[in-house]
Amino acid sequence: GQNIDQPTEMTATEGAIVQINCTYQTSGFNGLFWYQQHAGEAPTFLSYNVLDGLEEKGRFSSFLSRSKGYSYLLLKELQMKDSASYLCAVRFQRAGNMLTFGGGTRLMVKP
Amino acid sequence: DAGVIQSPRHEVTEMGQEVTLRCKPISGHNSLFWYRQTMMRGLELLIYFNNNVPIDDSGMPEDRFSAKMPNASFSTLKIQPSEPRDSAVYFCASTQTGITYEQYFGPGTRLTVT
Repeated sequence: GQNIDQPTEMTATEGAIVQINCTYQTSGFNGLFWYQQHAGEAPTFLSYNVLDGLEEKGRFSSFLSRSKGYSYLLLKELQMKDSASYLCAVRFQRAGNMLTFGGGTRLMVKP
Repeated sequence: DAGVIQSPRHEVTEMGQEVTLRCKPISGHNSLFWYRQTMMRGLELLIYFNNNVPIDDSGMPEDRFSAKMPNASFSTLKIQPSEPRDSAVYFCASTQTGITYEQYFGPGTRLTVT
């Protein structure tokens, strides 16, 4: 299978830093995406990693280790509006343009 | 850019009725995806098209579900007959192959089958 695992829920405090992990099967890996989804809304693209290392975009960063089948999304200076679900999705070589999504991590930011 | 457009945004229907969901992808995108999202099962891919041709429909639950893409700017997902377990949010997404594999999602159709 192509299981993608991420924690179901996380809680963090406004202003803090939170790291959301994602693990996946490495066979055929061809790119990893992070999406943000607020309740009642569509997923929106946050980041894309295909090579090892860290990609930074403002308060959000995403890291990838291809050999370990591991990625994380790092959110800094948390704001209340960051409360949302964060979906990890992987593109596998034999799947063409399809993405396989993890179950999502529901992040609650508290004051 | 108007983004991916879906209609209707909400649909409430009775069991046994036919339901048709519609999607207009972003202009110039050549791949289109239909997803279903529920609390229990998360985001599931139902079917995807490349250049209007269905490439993988292994996620379509059963024969009650069908999807078409008659041209590059329009796709439909039909459920006939509908059942209460089909209640979910259905998303359409599109992307441009070879440029970026980032998928852009429409606002979704929330389907309730009573």
